[in-house]
Amino acid sequence: DAKTTQPTSMDCAEGRAANLPCNHSTISGNEYVYWYRQIHSQGPQYIIHGLKNNETNEMASLIITEDRKSSTLILPHATLRDTAVYYCIVSFTGGTSYGKLTFGQGTILTVHP
Amino acid sequence: DTAVSQTPKYLVTQMGNDKSIKCEQNLGHDTMYWYKQDSKKFLKIMFSYNNKELIINETVPNRFSPKSPDKAHLNLHINSLELGDSAVYFCASSHLETYNEQFFGPGTRLTVL
Repeated sequence: DAKTTQPTSMDCAEGRAANLPCNHSTISGNEYVYWYRQIHSQGPQYIIHGLKNNETNEMASLIITEDRKSSTLILPHATLRDTAVYYCIVSFTGGTSYGKLTFGQGTILTVHP
Repeated sequence: DTAVSQTPKYLVTQMGNDKSIKCEQNLGHDTMYWYKQDSKKFLKIMFSYNNKELIINETVPNRFSPKSPDKAHLNLHINSLELGDSAVYFCASSHLETYNEQFFGPGTRLTVL
């Protein structure tokens, strides 16, 4: 699986959009970009994933650059409950590595009142 | 209506003891996982089972033995506990077809004294 690079930490004001970047310059053609988050003392939570098109669900939007070497997770109106560690994961969708998510250090997002 | 549940939530034990952590999911998933999150917060997959069959077995000491009595349960038995086994253990589940969209349990904090 391709390696990802994320900022160690970010701050965001409550009610504003939180834009979390992820660099995955070695991503290959059949690798998807997944985002998870882990709120303190809880298990990780799946947020969204995409291959090359932008994606949106009830939690967030995922913007993937045309060359697929980077992506941005957008929380449109951050709340205090969005304070968490956000993980960007690049993963194959087949072969023997299926289901083997590799979590890096992630980005600690702190949402301030 | 808990989706993925683990028992116990906390486990404190002495070195050398044998202990088990239980996991149950009521999501109708066919694939279940065990992850370990160490003191530095790195989250690593240990095992994965699909329909009671082992499909991922990372480099984990053979003191750790997963057991899946049915596809809704995946238990983790640990023999001869060591200090380095202290960590938070997370169970997760998914459909095999969407194996990277995993639902995590609340975690079991294991402390070995």
